[in-house]
Amino acid sequence: DAGVTQSPTHLIKTRGQQVTLRCSPKSGHDTVSWYQQALGQGPQFIFQYYEEEERQRGNFPDRFSGHQFPNYSSELNVNALLLGDSALYLCASSFGGTDQPQHFGDGTRLSIL
Amino acid sequence: DQQVKQNSPSLSVQEGRISILNCDYTNSMFDYFLWYKKYPAEGPTFLISISSIKDKNEDGRFTVFLNKSAKHLSLHIVPSQPGDSAVYFCAARLNNNDMRFGAGTRLTVKP
Repeated sequence: DAGVTQSPTHLIKTRGQQVTLRCSPKSGHDTVSWYQQALGQGPQFIFQYYEEEERQRGNFPDRFSGHQFPNYSSELNVNALLLGDSALYLCASSFGGTDQPQHFGDGTRLSIL
Repeated sequence: DQQVKQNSPSLSVQEGRISILNCDYTNSMFDYFLWYKKYPAEGPTFLISISSIKDKNEDGRFTVFLNKSAKHLSLHIVPSQPGDSAVYFCAARLNNNDMRFGAGTRLTVKP
């Protein structure tokens, strides 16, 4: 039973570029949430996707966008990258409508030069 | 706007003793609280949770206490083991969609 998988594990980009991160949820899960974790901080909620729509959004600019596919996998896109976007990006999945906790992937480490 | 705070960045305890990790929150609308454990190069792993309608939940060596009037949450680990050494995150859920995390506490259990 595969857990949450994220790709790539590491990524280096330069300012102004665009990046796409990918996430496959745990088997049986239909809801995907994305988090940004800066060094020394806890994960910060970016947004959540359910039934291919953004259901909730945290305090992140429109440069951060996402998508969920019919197979429940998801992408996080960040445009016009800034140095401050350097962080660990975590994907978490859950089954919508229940109190079951979210399961996290190991994250994508994004470095902006 | 940090609604969930873990004021101790680190904690060191002796193997076999109790570890107590603390967490404070400000938003009374949180309905569910969770603790996650994180090892280096891995994502957070769910440990234990508690609903806002309860004041205690126990799972083996792990017990979470919730004091709603004080807006305070704590995780007790007893007895502590070296394998418990990790970063522990407190999280609070809002409306089933949005989780807010504390900055984490690094626990070191010494043999």
